[in-house]
Amino acid sequence: ETGVTQTPRHLVMGMTNKKSLKCEQHLGHNAMYWYKQSAKKPLELMFVYNFKEQTENNSVPSRFSPECPNSSHLFLHLHTLQPEDSALYLCASSSPGQGVDDYGYTFGSGTRLTVV
Amino acid sequence: AQTVTQSQPEMSVQEAETVTLSCTYDTSESDYYLFWYKQPPSRQMILVIRQEAYKQQNATENRFSVNFQKAAKSFSLKISDSQLGDAAMYFCAYRSAGGNQGGKLIFGQGTELSVKP
Repeated sequence: ETGVTQTPRHLVMGMTNKKSLKCEQHLGHNAMYWYKQSAKKPLELMFVYNFKEQTENNSVPSRFSPECPNSSHLFLHLHTLQPEDSALYLCASSSPGQGVDDYGYTFGSGTRLTVV
Repeated sequence: AQTVTQSQPEMSVQEAETVTLSCTYDTSESDYYLFWYKQPPSRQMILVIRQEAYKQQNATENRFSVNFQKAAKSFSLKISDSQLGDAAMYFCAYRSAGGNQGGKLIFGQGTELSVKP
């Protein structure tokens, strides 16, 4: 474990379902991120939160709704998804000026999402 | 906007041999950070090595080293004495040094490395 925990690890949902992905870190980081990783594509940044405030939304469809109630928790609420949304969703956190991993990210293990 | 390009979708190396993974990037900034991340089948993204752009000396971490050519905007990763556990997807990534905290990390497409026993 890296200190960033994502649940669930696997999720299968229908296109009409509503589900949520959870990310949790207790590293004292103040920035959190959602990335989408599809096969044969670079990781796509979806959302950035700094000190609980959303600072970037990378033109993500509204069927993805992030929530950051505090600096340790990040959610991604999903509703009416499409099959092309099937991917690995990675959460990461960071905080500059803290040791050898300055400016680097700590990633979770991801949630493998399949939309049927 | 910054971009990162990895032109080798797949690479293969014999165990105990050396392999070099390529990465180029495009930026107009002078101060930034470059990273190599490893993603094994467990899906965990693991930081392998990092390089600050203002440092001329190439970073080294045990069997992993980089060849950082700032003028050419090239950042290759050399893995020496390859081991079976090195088999993974490797991602090159860029991050601005300036701006507010939490600057975004921009990734290349990845290179899948296989290690033959």
